[in-house]
Amino acid sequence: DGGITQSPKYLFRKEGQNVTLSCEQNLNHDAMYWYRQDPGQGLRLIYYSQIVNDFQKGDIAEGYSVSREKKESFPLTVTSAQKNPTAFYLCASTRAVYSNQPQHFGDGTRLSIL
Amino acid sequence: GQNIDQPTEMTATEGAIVQINCTYQTSGFNGLFWYQQHAGEAPTFLSYNVLDGLEEKGRFSSFLSRSKGYSYLLLKELQMKDSASYLCAVLYNFNKFYFGSGTKLNVKP
Repeated sequence: DGGITQSPKYLFRKEGQNVTLSCEQNLNHDAMYWYRQDPGQGLRLIYYSQIVNDFQKGDIAEGYSVSREKKESFPLTVTSAQKNPTAFYLCASTRAVYSNQPQHFGDGTRLSIL
Repeated sequence: GQNIDQPTEMTATEGAIVQINCTYQTSGFNGLFWYQQHAGEAPTFLSYNVLDGLEEKGRFSSFLSRSKGYSYLLLKELQMKDSASYLCAVLYNFNKFYFGSGTKLNVKP
């Protein structure tokens, strides 16, 4: 079955620590996205990538970093510079750049501070 | 970001029909998408509109007016399992999706 796999499902971060959230897709999609969702809120865009080795900042990129070395993978690192990281993180993908197809979502990673 | 506006919360009765509205800024618009999200879970795709008019998919329908920057999601024959948040998302300039804050729908017996 094709889909998006996010891991881990739950993650705890100590102060001053960087943590990396994994996102892998086997849908052969070109575009991938990272969103943050706070309780009772919609999704806010952190970073997106439309092609391998290229990515763009979203609206709330500060304190986060990404890489896109392979088409299938788009990991997100939450750095120690992100002072309020507690949230639900969602990875999504769409088939092609410049298409208006809906996004597919992973099951999410819930990040908390220890 | 773009302003995607939808009501915060709505309540409806099992078996009834409910309409959830969404308004958005029209400049750069490429498509509007509706997702359902149960608490603690990922959004699941329901429906999308690119052109004006009504799209029907079973108990769910979505309407779009591009000139008015307006859409609605219509849910018919409400069931208890329809209790969830409904997210309106707009694709701008073919590269960014902006989401509303979601409408929490409470279905009561």
